[in-house]
Amino acid sequence: QVQLVQSGAEVKKSGASVKVSCKASGYTLGVYWLHWFRQAPGQGLEWMGWLKPDSGATEIAQKFQGRITMTSDTSISTVYMELSRLTPDDTAVYYCTRDWDRRAFDIWGQGTMVAVSS
Amino acid sequence: EIVMTQSPLSLPVTPGEPASISCRSTQSLLHSSGNTYLNWFLQKPGQSPQLLIYVASNRASGVPDRFSGGGSGTEFTLKISRVEAEDVGIYYCMQGLQTPYTFGQGTKLEIK
Repeated sequence: QVQLVQSGAEVKKSGASVKVSCKASGYTLGVYWLHWFRQAPGQGLEWMGWLKPDSGATEIAQKFQGRITMTSDTSISTVYMELSRLTPDDTAVYYCTRDWDRRAFDIWGQGTMVAVSS
Repeated sequence: EIVMTQSPLSLPVTPGEPASISCRSTQSLLHSSGNTYLNWFLQKPGQSPQLLIYVASNRASGVPDRFSGGGSGTEFTLKISRVEAEDVGIYYCMQGLQTPYTFGQGTKLEIK
């Protein structure tokens, strides 16, 4: 069964960092690009960036440049997204998803809630 | 940045009746490859988004054939031929032509 399983909810203070993991199973992690999106409470979806797990290549949305690090450990089929200098505006559910074919994001993680207090 | 605009934002539908959602982009989503990078997702309450349609008209695996996507350039439509109770949720269109990928505001489908 192809799936992405994310790490659990986090509560952080402003200024801290959070690292969310996304573990793939049922397929070879390095074959597909992995993207990260987030969704603030009651809001729509926002694209954050992508990572090619086998090469480590990334593209980060301009809004997050300088604050995001995306990495992978293919030996354990896991990718990571670390967001630093958190503010309450970063409170959201963070999702990883696989780009299966021509931006067909077919498999999504269950989401990781990150709450940031001031 | 490409801006995506959906309508309507709220869509009450009687089960068994058809439904249609429109999505407009501020620039053409046609790529030089011939693919049109427009996706449709459904987000059911408390769940992750699920892919319905990709490259404008391709139904994703496991998606019922009552869902269909159409359109070209900057104007797109998602159609549900006969709405069922399980179709409730928020529908989003998303452009995948250029980063940052952007979404419409979402259309909330509810059952009358």
